[in-house]
Amino acid sequence: DAGVIQSPRHEVTEMGQEVTLRCKPISGHNSLFWYRQTMMRGLELLIYFNNNVPIDDSGMPEDRFSAKMPNASFSTLKIQPSEPRDSAVYFCASSLKGDYEQYFGPGTRLTVT
Amino acid sequence: GESVGLHLPTLSVQEGDNSIINCAYSNSASDYFIWYKQESGKGPQFIIDIRSNMDKRQGQRVTVLLNKTVKHLSLQIAATQPGDSAVYFCAENRASGYSTLTFGKGTMLLVSP
Repeated sequence: DAGVIQSPRHEVTEMGQEVTLRCKPISGHNSLFWYRQTMMRGLELLIYFNNNVPIDDSGMPEDRFSAKMPNASFSTLKIQPSEPRDSAVYFCASSLKGDYEQYFGPGTRLTVT
Repeated sequence: GESVGLHLPTLSVQEGDNSIINCAYSNSASDYFIWYKQESGKGPQFIIDIRSNMDKRQGQRVTVLLNKTVKHLSLQIAATQPGDSAVYFCAENRASGYSTLTFGKGTMLLVSP
């Protein structure tokens, strides 16, 4: 299995631009998680999907952030408009329903200038 | 242990030594705990987990100890190797009914040959 796939691996954009991060979970996994990692705040859960339905989005910082999961094999995290404080590494993880062990992707390093 | 602010606590050991990484958790109702290892530029990787009805679990070269009385978790790595150098995170499931994990800030382990 290829594991969780994220793209792009690196993204550099200017403030105000729209950013879309992509994730393909492990085949057969039905829970998907988006995290943000910074030195100041550590690893923070942004949103959690189960069977493509958003279950808990309380970690989404503000309305500029949105996430979708149109099918079991694809999810996006969008930031519009982006701001310098959004600079971080964004991870996607997936797990089997009822299993707490989460499998992480390699992350997308986002830099907003 | 857990960190506050910009700097991760760091544990420096010599190759071949045993390492102990500590973690304090906050929720006495948490029923599942997991340790992850994160190497530079990569996503967190599962090491070992333990449920709250256990106080010790062993894996290959790793042991997790759980003390529910003082809400403390530790990861012991035997015969530490340079390849063990990474940031180690503990995480807990706060028995919220969701399969979500709350991560600690992490501890950096540096192993010198």
